[in-house]
Amino acid sequence: AQSVAQPEDQVNVAEGNPLTVKCTYSVSGNPYLFWYVQYPNRGLQFLLKYITGDNLVKGSYGFEAEFNKSQTSFHLKKPSALVSDSALYFCAVSLYNTDKLIFGTGTRLQVFP
Amino acid sequence: GAVVSQHPSWVICKSGTSVKIECRSLDFQATTMFWYRQFPKQSLMLMATSNEGSKATYEQGVEKDKFLINHASLTLSTLTVTSAHPEDSSFYICSATDRVDYGYTFGSGTRLTVV
Repeated sequence: AQSVAQPEDQVNVAEGNPLTVKCTYSVSGNPYLFWYVQYPNRGLQFLLKYITGDNLVKGSYGFEAEFNKSQTSFHLKKPSALVSDSALYFCAVSLYNTDKLIFGTGTRLQVFP
Repeated sequence: GAVVSQHPSWVICKSGTSVKIECRSLDFQATTMFWYRQFPKQSLMLMATSNEGSKATYEQGVEKDKFLINHASLTLSTLTVTSAHPEDSSFYICSATDRVDYGYTFGSGTRLTVV
């Protein structure tokens, strides 16, 4: 069965420092990988996705993620964190032959001034 | 970009009553829509998948008679929580895809409180 793991419930980082939010996946077949961000009492906003092609994917708001097939990871990164980046981040995976998105448990990012 | 409108954003209802939540794709045709439920500080749990003009496919453990899903057109899906009880209180989120470019667009969510 396909699954997504986000090993950290919370990540704390100082403003201006680089941030990483980790995601690993387990699927049979080629994965389609996504990152979304959620602010309180809101739906999910799309950040970026990996379907095929370059392993380094650049997305919205300065975020990027690297697809690593050997480590089955898709970590989200940003070179310089902002306080406004504080939110709940979800990694998700889908298979090419299904429409379903399977979500990780989410990681709360807290950026301190 | 693609926009999905979800209404209402919050609703309070009495136990035993039914509540309908609407999910509309505003600028694209949604061949497939999804309904999720999110508990506090938890991830999104997929409840069902609906395709236009056909019956919804429910995930294991989701009561189809309690959570009625209708996808009557390519731009509208509704979720009706029937005979609501306090344990149905939750945050419900819809998502839609047109299967183009593997894009999924989410609604802003509905906070349901059953008293």
